[in-house]
Amino acid sequence: GAGVSQSPRYKVAKRGQDVALRCDPISGHVSLFWYQQALGQGPEFLTYFQNEAQLDKSGLPSDRFFAERPEGSVSTLKIQRTQQEDSAVYLCASSFSLNTEAFFGQGTRLTVV
Amino acid sequence: GQQLNQSPQSMFIQEGEDVSMNCTSSSIFNTWLWYKQDPGEGPVLLIALYKAGELTSNGRLTAQFGITRKDSFLNISASIPSDVGIYFCAGLNYGGSQGNLIFGKGTKLSVKP
Repeated sequence: GAGVSQSPRYKVAKRGQDVALRCDPISGHVSLFWYQQALGQGPEFLTYFQNEAQLDKSGLPSDRFFAERPEGSVSTLKIQRTQQEDSAVYLCASSFSLNTEAFFGQGTRLTVV
Repeated sequence: GQQLNQSPQSMFIQEGEDVSMNCTSSSIFNTWLWYKQDPGEGPVLLIALYKAGELTSNGRLTAQFGITRKDSFLNISASIPSDVGIYFCAGLNYGGSQGNLIFGKGTKLSVKP
């Protein structure tokens, strides 16, 4: 596609519910990244993939967060048993290769009530 | 997680004014980047700096990579209404990928009432 596409754009989840956030990177981009952006803050790194390999997941805040990219293109960020503190915008970015510009999607705004 | 110190947090501009914002860190970075984020959108890269002391321009934007590698500034000359938004600095840790960025908390640019 023309840009990084994320869905849904908005998600309201009840506390304790599981959610899945989808990222479609730019076609041909090898690297894919997930960031979490709390209200009024800058984005914070969660995890990144090179093709289907998850090379760094050091930013995932707890074991309730899980990301996958099974075929090296689309990625899903899953949050189990959501808590209020998980409310944030989740941004996905992709790049052609490491050390080239990463392009961000519009994000998914998750609100846990 | 670790974040950069970005200032000012917010500022009001009048069309035609020059704007300056900066970012400092206790850590050394080998790359500094400046992004702009509009409401409901992901960050868009404005300028990338790869060498200590480097001064780079992109139209009305000028940014410098501090000689100590611990700071950077962004100047916008002759501001226009579409400059309104949130500006983030981001530092890349040595050896990381371009997507694995540490972001500042942002500088919000608004139009003077």
